[in-house]
Amino acid sequence: EPEVTQTPSHQVTQMGQEVILRCVPISNHLYFYWYRQILGQKVEFLVSFYNNEISEKSEIFDDQFSVERPDGSNFTLKIRSTKLEDSAMYFCASTQQVSYRGNQPQHFGDGTRLSIL
Amino acid sequence: GQSLEQPSEVTAVEGAIVQINCTYQTSGFYGLSWYQQHDGGAPTFLSYNALDGLEETGRFSSFLSRSDSYGYLLLQELQMKDSASYFCAVGGKLIFGQGTELSVKP
Repeated sequence: EPEVTQTPSHQVTQMGQEVILRCVPISNHLYFYWYRQILGQKVEFLVSFYNNEISEKSEIFDDQFSVERPDGSNFTLKIRSTKLEDSAMYFCASTQQVSYRGNQPQHFGDGTRLSIL
Repeated sequence: GQSLEQPSEVTAVEGAIVQINCTYQTSGFYGLSWYQQHDGGAPTFLSYNALDGLEETGRFSSFLSRSDSYGYLLLQELQMKDSASYFCAVGGKLIFGQGTELSVKP
């Protein structure tokens, strides 16, 4: 069964450094998402992306964050200057069709654990 | 805003039936989703209810009452592998509840 793959599985970075998290969505999916989960807390929506532009973003997704689809397969999340509070698990997800109502199952990757020192 | 309330944890024994409740307050409600997460790994989709009533998929069923802003996930014939966190969620950009940690005991 097709999967969403994320790399690296664990990233350790010094505070203030830039970090890029990478995702390869399922090949025929068109809608992409980033979520984060701080340890012990719920999964939180960051941003959705379609047709090479951001569809929607949350309050968490401030100017330090950016997303990009640099080629036909990768989808990246960049944090420009990391803070301690950015430490979390970051999940990428994709859907084949638009899901304004939530009726399209989102397929999640295994996540990247980001640790900021 | 949108908020979803779930119990933080539930414990049950193998073979039993357990119900995980979710109440929601949200504007523009279309339906309620359920996701399972093992040990902080990838959330996996379980079900989606847009209409009132019970939807059954194998050992798992999900129920929705739009008038009560309430839903639940029903797990039957519990197995040890069902020990996980279960999240209800709304919307296309999924807004999750805090999650219910289910522990299945022998």
